Amino acid sequence: AQSVAQPEDQVNVAEGNPLTVKCTYSVSGNPYLFWYVQYPNRGLQFLLKYITGDNLVKGSYGFEAEYTKSQTSFHLKKPSALVSDSALYFCAVRPNAGNMLTFGGGTRLMVKP
Amino acid sequence: DAGITQSPRHKVTETGTPVTLRCHQTENHRYMYWYRQDPGHGLRLIHYSYGVKDTDKGEVSDGYSVSRSKTEDFLLTLESATSSQTSVYFCAIRGTGNTYEQYFGPGTRLTVT
Repeated sequence: AQSVAQPEDQVNVAEGNPLTVKCTYSVSGNPYLFWYVQYPNRGLQFLLKYITGDNLVKGSYGFEAEYTKSQTSFHLKKPSALVSDSALYFCAVRPNAGNMLTFGGGTRLMVKP
Repeated sequence: DAGITQSPRHKVTETGTPVTLRCHQTENHRYMYWYRQDPGHGLRLIHYSYGVKDTDKGEVSDGYSVSRSKTEDFLLTLESATSSQTSVYFCAIRGTGNTYEQYFGPGTRLTVT
């Protein structure tokens, strides 16, 4: 069975500094990997995905994610954090067959001015 | 929120009463999903549908049933609500094509007293 781990419940970063939100996964076959963001009292918003190809994928709002197969990781990154990036971030994985996603437990990102 | 509406948005009900939550989409997507979100657990899949009258169980289906009598509506029913079903419930649709990302509705906050 597939699983997703987000090892940090919360990440704190100063505005203007780079940020990384970590995600590791366990899945059979080649995974489809996703990042979502959730602002307070809202549904999840799709940020970016990796299916195949370049290991560095770019998404919405200046976010990018790096896929590292050897470490089964898919870390979310942004070169310069904004206070408005403060939100809850979820990593998700789909194995190479099936129509369901498995989500990690979420990481709260706090960007301080 | 990807043309997805959920109703009601908030509900308080008593233990033992039946509750039905509605998800409505306007874009004729085949796949629809119901999740619950709880602190520390991320999102967990309850049930999903892959077409009219075609549904399957997810990770946490006990105590829940679903129905899909037409493409645009996916109903989640708690036959006899319990306090452990207090949660935020999200509906999602799967995007078109073979990339498998999902798009979420705004959520329903359910409190069972």
